[in-house]
Amino acid sequence: GAVVSQHPSRVICKSGTSVKIECRSLDFQATTMFWYRQFPKQSLMLMATSNEGSKATYEQGVEKDKFLINHASLTLSTLTVTSAHPEDSSFYICSARDPRARRNEQFFGPGTRLTVL
Amino acid sequence: DQQVKQNSPSLSVQEGRISILNCDYTNSMFDYFLWYKKYPAEGPTFLISISSIKDKNEDGRFTVFLNKSAKHLSLHIVPSQPGDSAVYFCAASAQKVQGAQKLVFGQGTRLTINP
Repeated sequence: GAVVSQHPSRVICKSGTSVKIECRSLDFQATTMFWYRQFPKQSLMLMATSNEGSKATYEQGVEKDKFLINHASLTLSTLTVTSAHPEDSSFYICSARDPRARRNEQFFGPGTRLTVL
Repeated sequence: DQQVKQNSPSLSVQEGRISILNCDYTNSMFDYFLWYKKYPAEGPTFLISISSIKDKNEDGRFTVFLNKSAKHLSLHIVPSQPGDSAVYFCAASAQKVQGAQKLVFGQGTRLTINP
Protein backbone atom coordinates (compact mmCIF):
# COMPACT_ATOMS: atom_id res chain seq x y z
CA GLY A 1 0.00 0.00 0.00
CA ALA A 2 0.89 3.67 -0.13
CA VAL A 3 3.37 5.01 2.42
CA VAL A 4 2.80 7.96 4.71
CA SER A 5 5.50 9.20 7.05
CA GLN A 6 5.34 11.47 10.06
CA HIS A 7 8.04 13.44 11.80
CA PRO A 8 8.87 13.54 14.60
CA SER A 9 7.68 10.27 16.06
CA ARG A 10 7.94 11.61 19.56
CA VAL A 11 8.31 15.11 20.99
CA ILE A 12 8.47 16.51 24.48
CA CYS A 13 8.11 20.24 24.91
CA LYS A 14 7.56 22.83 27.58
CA SER A 15 4.20 24.44 28.12
CA GLY A 16 3.76 27.55 26.01
CA THR A 17 5.99 26.47 23.14
CA SER A 18 4.85 25.53 19.65
CA VAL A 19 5.41 22.19 18.01
CA LYS A 20 5.30 21.35 14.31
CA ILE A 21 4.46 17.87 13.06
CA GLU A 22 5.05 16.92 9.44
CA CYS A 23 3.07 14.43 7.41
CA ARG A 24 4.40 13.26 4.04
CA SER A 25 3.03 10.99 1.37
CA LEU A 26 6.13 9.23 0.07
CA ASP A 27 5.03 7.50 -3.12
CA PHE A 28 1.91 9.31 -4.17
CA GLN A 29 0.43 12.77 -4.38
CA ALA A 30 -2.23 13.50 -1.82
CA THR A 31 -4.60 16.34 -2.48
CA THR A 32 -6.28 15.60 0.82
CA MET A 33 -4.72 14.74 4.15
CA PHE A 34 -6.38 14.29 7.51
CA TRP A 35 -5.22 14.97 11.05
CA TYR A 36 -6.46 12.87 13.96
CA ARG A 37 -5.69 12.74 17.63
CA GLN A 38 -6.07 9.77 19.88
CA PHE A 39 -6.28 9.80 23.65
CA PRO A 40 -5.32 6.64 25.54
CA LYS A 41 -7.81 3.82 25.02
CA GLN A 42 -10.04 6.03 22.94
CA SER A 43 -10.94 6.32 19.30
CA LEU A 44 -9.20 8.34 16.63
CA MET A 45 -10.91 11.71 16.50
CA LEU A 46 -10.74 13.66 13.27
CA MET A 47 -9.41 17.15 13.92
CA ALA A 48 -9.28 18.61 10.44
CA THR A 49 -9.14 17.90 6.75
CA SER A 50 -6.20 19.44 4.97
CA ASN A 51 -6.61 20.33 1.31
CA GLU A 52 -3.64 21.20 -0.85
CA GLY A 53 -3.62 24.85 -1.79
CA SER A 54 -6.59 25.84 0.34
CA LYS A 55 -7.60 26.32 3.95
CA ALA A 56 -8.11 23.34 6.18
CA THR A 57 -11.57 22.32 7.29
CA TYR A 58 -11.76 21.92 11.04
CA GLU A 59 -14.12 19.69 12.95
CA GLN A 60 -16.47 21.15 15.48
CA GLY A 61 -14.72 21.96 18.73
CA VAL A 62 -11.22 22.09 17.25
CA GLU A 63 -9.58 25.51 17.55
CA LYS A 64 -8.10 26.49 14.21
CA ASP A 65 -5.85 29.10 15.81
CA LYS A 66 -4.53 26.49 18.19
CA PHE A 67 -3.91 23.79 15.60
CA LEU A 68 -2.50 25.41 12.48
CA ILE A 69 -2.54 23.28 9.37
CA ASN A 70 -0.61 23.98 6.21
CA HIS A 71 -0.83 21.81 3.10
CA ALA A 72 1.60 23.61 0.86
CA SER A 73 2.39 20.77 -1.52
CA LEU A 74 0.84 17.55 -2.77
CA THR A 75 3.11 15.50 -0.54
CA LEU A 76 3.36 17.52 2.66
CA SER A 77 0.97 18.72 5.33
CA THR A 78 2.04 20.19 8.64
CA LEU A 79 0.22 20.53 11.93
CA THR A 80 1.50 23.15 14.35
CA VAL A 81 0.28 23.00 17.92
CA THR A 82 0.67 26.59 19.09
CA SER A 83 1.27 27.53 22.70
CA ALA A 84 1.02 23.92 23.73
CA HIS A 85 -0.36 23.01 27.14
CA PRO A 86 -0.35 19.71 29.02
CA GLU A 87 -3.90 18.96 27.89
CA ASP A 88 -2.62 18.94 24.31
CA SER A 89 -0.54 15.88 25.12
CA SER A 90 -1.82 13.16 22.85
CA PHE A 91 -1.03 10.86 19.95
CA TYR A 92 -1.42 12.76 16.68
CA ILE A 93 -1.87 10.75 13.48
CA CYS A 94 -2.14 11.94 9.91
CA SER A 95 -3.56 10.10 6.96
CA ALA A 96 -3.75 10.69 3.26
CA ARG A 97 -5.96 9.52 0.44
CA ASP A 98 -4.19 7.92 -2.46
CA PRO A 99 -6.23 8.73 -5.60
CA ARG A 100 -5.16 5.38 -7.04
CA ALA A 101 -6.53 3.35 -4.13
CA ARG A 102 -10.03 2.05 -3.48
CA ARG A 103 -12.46 4.71 -2.45
CA ASN A 104 -12.45 5.98 1.09
CA GLU A 105 -9.24 4.17 1.95
CA GLN A 106 -6.87 6.34 3.91
CA PHE A 107 -3.24 5.52 4.53
CA PHE A 108 -2.03 6.44 7.96
CA GLY A 109 1.28 7.69 9.20
CA PRO A 110 2.94 6.08 12.22
CA GLY A 111 1.81 8.87 14.54
CA THR A 112 3.52 11.45 16.75
CA ARG A 113 3.45 11.21 20.52
CA LEU A 114 3.34 14.73 21.94
CA THR A 115 4.05 15.28 25.61
CA VAL A 116 3.72 18.79 26.98
CA LEU A 117 5.33 19.35 30.36
CA ASP B 1 -22.36 11.46 20.22
CA GLN B 2 -20.63 8.25 19.29
CA GLN B 3 -21.87 7.40 15.81
CA VAL B 4 -19.72 4.29 15.54
CA LYS B 5 -19.50 2.03 18.55
CA GLN B 6 -17.39 -0.95 19.37
CA ASN B 7 -18.83 -2.12 22.65
CA SER B 8 -16.19 -4.71 23.43
CA PRO B 9 -12.96 -3.03 24.50
CA SER B 10 -11.13 -6.35 24.44
CA LEU B 11 -11.42 -9.89 23.14
CA SER B 12 -9.30 -12.96 23.80
CA VAL B 13 -9.33 -15.90 21.39
CA GLN B 14 -7.44 -19.17 21.16
CA GLU B 15 -5.06 -19.53 18.23
CA GLY B 16 -6.72 -21.33 15.33
CA ARG B 17 -10.25 -20.41 16.41
CA ILE B 18 -12.49 -17.73 14.95
CA SER B 19 -12.30 -14.13 16.14
CA ILE B 20 -15.46 -12.06 15.78
CA LEU B 21 -15.27 -8.31 16.27
CA ASN B 22 -18.46 -6.30 16.32
CA CYS B 23 -19.34 -2.75 15.40
CA ASP B 24 -22.61 -0.81 15.55
CA TYR B 25 -23.46 2.51 13.98
CA THR B 26 -26.25 5.00 14.33
CA ASN B 27 -25.99 7.20 11.25
CA SER B 28 -28.13 5.76 8.45
CA MET B 29 -26.24 7.91 5.94
CA PHE B 30 -23.10 5.80 6.31
CA ASP B 31 -22.61 3.85 3.12
CA TYR B 32 -19.06 2.55 3.34
CA PHE B 33 -17.35 0.73 6.18
CA LEU B 34 -13.75 -0.15 6.84
CA TRP B 35 -11.74 -2.12 9.36
CA TYR B 36 -8.30 -1.01 10.41
CA LYS B 37 -5.71 -2.81 12.48
CA LYS B 38 -3.39 -0.91 14.79
CA TYR B 39 -0.26 -1.90 16.66
CA PRO B 40 0.98 0.22 19.60
CA ALA B 41 2.74 3.44 18.61
CA GLU B 42 1.91 2.90 14.94
CA GLY B 43 -0.73 4.28 12.63
CA PRO B 44 -3.70 2.11 11.64
CA THR B 45 -3.37 -0.10 8.58
CA PHE B 46 -6.27 -0.91 6.31
CA LEU B 47 -7.65 -4.41 6.54
CA ILE B 48 -10.90 -4.79 4.65
CA SER B 49 -13.92 -2.73 3.62
CA ILE B 50 -17.51 -3.15 2.53
CA SER B 51 -19.97 -1.02 0.64
CA SER B 52 -23.55 -0.72 1.87
CA ILE B 53 -24.79 -2.39 -1.29
CA LYS B 54 -23.19 -5.62 -0.14
CA ASP B 55 -23.70 -7.76 2.93
CA LYS B 56 -20.43 -9.67 2.83
CA ASN B 57 -16.88 -9.16 1.67
CA GLU B 58 -14.14 -11.72 2.01
CA ASP B 59 -10.38 -11.38 1.73
CA GLY B 60 -8.36 -14.41 2.75
CA ARG B 61 -8.82 -15.06 6.47
CA PHE B 62 -10.85 -11.89 6.90
CA THR B 63 -14.57 -11.54 6.22
CA VAL B 64 -16.72 -8.53 6.96
CA PHE B 65 -20.49 -8.88 7.31
CA LEU B 66 -22.89 -5.98 7.12
CA ASN B 67 -26.46 -5.99 8.45
CA LYS B 68 -27.94 -2.70 7.37
CA SER B 69 -31.28 -3.16 9.03
CA ALA B 70 -29.55 -3.70 12.37
CA LYS B 71 -26.86 -1.10 11.62
CA HIS B 72 -24.30 -3.67 12.57
CA LEU B 73 -21.16 -5.03 11.04
CA SER B 74 -18.70 -7.64 12.13
CA LEU B 75 -15.22 -8.76 11.23
CA HIS B 76 -14.46 -12.47 11.26
CA ILE B 77 -10.90 -13.71 11.34
CA VAL B 78 -10.41 -17.41 10.81
CA PRO B 79 -8.19 -19.08 11.69
CA SER B 80 -6.84 -16.59 14.22
CA GLN B 81 -3.07 -16.28 14.43
CA PRO B 82 -0.82 -14.73 17.10
CA GLY B 83 0.13 -11.95 14.67
CA ASP B 84 -3.50 -10.87 14.62
CA SER B 85 -3.14 -9.53 18.15
CA ALA B 86 -3.71 -5.80 17.81
CA VAL B 87 -6.37 -3.14 18.24
CA TYR B 88 -9.05 -3.23 15.57
CA PHE B 89 -10.96 -0.12 14.61
CA CYS B 90 -14.20 -0.02 12.72
CA ALA B 91 -14.73 3.11 10.60
CA ALA B 92 -17.59 4.45 8.54
CA SER B 93 -18.13 7.13 5.96
CA ALA B 94 -21.09 8.75 4.24
CA GLN B 95 -19.83 9.15 0.73
CA LYS B 96 -22.97 10.57 -0.81
CA VAL B 97 -23.24 13.22 1.87
CA GLN B 98 -19.63 14.00 2.67
CA GLY B 99 -17.95 13.21 -0.59
CA ALA B 100 -16.13 10.10 0.50
CA GLN B 101 -13.67 11.96 2.65
CA LYS B 102 -14.46 11.76 6.31
CA LEU B 103 -14.05 8.62 8.37
CA VAL B 104 -15.73 8.17 11.74
CA PHE B 105 -13.99 5.65 13.96
CA GLY B 106 -15.19 3.39 16.72
CA GLN B 107 -13.35 3.13 20.02
CA GLY B 108 -11.44 0.04 19.02
CA THR B 109 -11.30 -3.54 20.28
CA ARG B 110 -8.08 -5.03 21.54
CA LEU B 111 -7.78 -8.57 20.20
CA THR B 112 -5.42 -10.99 21.89
CA ILE B 113 -4.72 -14.35 20.30
CA ASN B 114 -3.52 -16.91 22.81
CA PRO B 115 -1.19 -19.71 21.66
